[in-house]
Amino acid sequence: NAGVTQTPKFRVLKTGQSMTLLCAQDMNHEYMYWYRQDPGMGLRLIHYSVGEGTTAKGEVPDGYNVSRLKKQNFLLGLESAAPSQTSVYFCASSALAVYNEQFFGPGTRLTVL
Amino acid sequence: SQQGEEDPQALSIQEGENATMNCSYKTSINNLQWYRQNSGRGLVHLILIRSNEREKHSGRLRVTLDTSKKSSSLLITASRAADTASYFCATVLNDYKLSFGAGTTVTVRA
Repeated sequence: NAGVTQTPKFRVLKTGQSMTLLCAQDMNHEYMYWYRQDPGMGLRLIHYSVGEGTTAKGEVPDGYNVSRLKKQNFLLGLESAAPSQTSVYFCASSALAVYNEQFFGPGTRLTVL
Repeated sequence: SQQGEEDPQALSIQEGENATMNCSYKTSINNLQWYRQNSGRGLVHLILIRSNEREKHSGRLRVTLDTSKKSSSLLITASRAADTASYFCATVLNDYKLSFGAGTTVTVRA
């Protein structure tokens, strides 16, 4: 099993460009999450999904959109990138509600110039 | 806003020594989890302790929870170089969200 994978690993964007980050999990997990990690701030939840076809806002959703068309995939989109979105983005999944452990992907390092 | 705060922010110890880090939180929780992050990698779940538990062990890890003080501690015994990482506590506030602290960076010197 690959677990949770993220594509791409690194990306550099110019201000105003758009991009999509892809997260895939092969553990048949219902719940999926997108976080961003900034120095000294831990992880902050951007959006999450409790099942195929559902999405919900987390702590810092502005400037991001998500889609969960298939159970195994969770996409994070930036429509018009800003330098404040420079960060490391992590995807995670869990089998049940968050009382269970979350499994994390390796991260995507995004720089917006 | 972050629910949990780890203390200290950084810790440097000699191989073989024990490492202790603490987590304080603000509101009542269902459970508290500890994660490890090696440099440049994703987080890895270490241990979960429920609000009705006071202590839990997993290998060289020992976690305590004091709900009256709203605090938890993670003890790593007989540390190894491979334990060099950042450690995060995460509190569960509702069904779907973990709230992470800023982490403790542990360096184990050979």
